[in-house]
Amino acid sequence: SAVISQKPSRDICQRGTSLTIQCQVDSQVTMMFWYRQQPGQSLTLIATANQGSEATYESGFVIDKFPISRPNLTFSTLTVSNMSPEDSSIYLCSVVHNYEQYFGPGTRLTVT
Amino acid sequence: DQQVKQNSPSLSVQEGRISILNCDYTNSMFDYFLWYKKYPAEGPTFLISISSIKDKNEDGRFTVFLNKSAKHLSLHIVPSQPGDSAVYFCAASALDYKLSFGAGTTVTVRA
Repeated sequence: SAVISQKPSRDICQRGTSLTIQCQVDSQVTMMFWYRQQPGQSLTLIATANQGSEATYESGFVIDKFPISRPNLTFSTLTVSNMSPEDSSIYLCSVVHNYEQYFGPGTRLTVT
Repeated sequence: DQQVKQNSPSLSVQEGRISILNCDYTNSMFDYFLWYKKYPAEGPTFLISISSIKDKNEDGRFTVFLNKSAKHLSLHIVPSQPGDSAVYFCAASALDYKLSFGAGTTVTVRA
């Protein structure tokens, strides 16, 4: 399986600020995704991080709120912008490796 | 609209017995199904998957069964062990690898 790391593992942020989450994979992968798990909820896909082009966002998620970068095949960032308490969630990146999808450990974000 | 449903929020099973987790889906375009296990404060761990061209896939203690006509799949864990206590998520995707998740089932294995 692919080894995925995320930074930071957790953070507490004030409303109105932004946080950038990093995702690093130990091998080159074509497909990388960002998901969110709100408290007590299941996982929801935010966007597909496309290498060399703009991310593809799912319904309900927009680039201004969740800008994503994917400069190469092993790294991506997700920024949560102008945060509100409703953004308090676990944010996870995932990659497709050998036809299976693997998840990072997640970033637990609390917005106060 | 919830396309993947896990109708049992929790399951309690005695150590050594079988755990059976169920999952239903509504989207006929789904052709790949996965089960993940999640501990608190960790990311989901991939357990087992099944393609729509199969009706069973087995890996050690884990077996997944797929009934396409009923749009239903199940995960069997046998024998259940205390380390299996976790939240289990069913997920499904079409060809694009974009996963839709169920709400999860919390499994508690009693000693």
